[in-house]
Amino acid sequence: DAGITQSPRYKITETGRQVTLMCHQTWSHSYMFWYRQDLGHGLRLIYYSAAADITDKGEVPDGYVVSRSKTENFPLTLESATRSQTSVYFCASSDSETDTQYFGPGTRLTVL
Amino acid sequence: GEDVEQSLFLSVREGDSSVINCTYTDSSSTYLYWYKQEPGAGLQLLTYIFSNMDMKQDQRLTVLLNKKDKHLSLRIADTQTGDSAIYFCAESRYPNSGNTPLVFGKGTRLSVIA
Repeated sequence: DAGITQSPRYKITETGRQVTLMCHQTWSHSYMFWYRQDLGHGLRLIYYSAAADITDKGEVPDGYVVSRSKTENFPLTLESATRSQTSVYFCASSDSETDTQYFGPGTRLTVL
Repeated sequence: GEDVEQSLFLSVREGDSSVINCTYTDSSSTYLYWYKQEPGAGLQLLTYIFSNMDMKQDQRLTVLLNKKDKHLSLRIADTQTGDSAIYFCAESRYPNSGNTPLVFGKGTRLSVIA
């Protein structure tokens, strides 16, 4: 199906474990983004990417790593998960002509 | 600060109009957006307005932009229970630069009373 998908949709992990959240889009959008959504903070940008092999930090990048070897995929890795990284994570891709971002359904991550 | 500001809650009766307000910070923002988030779902683009426009209408939705006051509003006519959701205002801080992160407000939770 066309669009933007995220996996897994729900994940429970333990402090210190490595976790990778997947994001895949079928529109061939150049730009992709990772946000986290927390009560009281709204959406905060973690990392973004303008194209394959080009990534840049957002507002809250600490504790996260991204890669973009293919245009359609933009995985987000928590190298050593902490409780403060319990959140809902949204991936988005962008139509470069209007800057409009299209969001995936989100991954709810719980770190115990 | 550099925040996009929205009121957190709005409650309206079914059939009335809803007006959700937002103030943004960057007068050079090219596009301003309204997104809707239903429970357990991602953000869905509702509409956007180009900064050289004052108003945009799309069926029940009307967006008003006051650039002088950096004020954006979303009016939903004949509000229905299905409109209950969180509405996010967002601005594009780096228009046409190639990297275009959006800056989001914290969202307004709209509750529609039947």
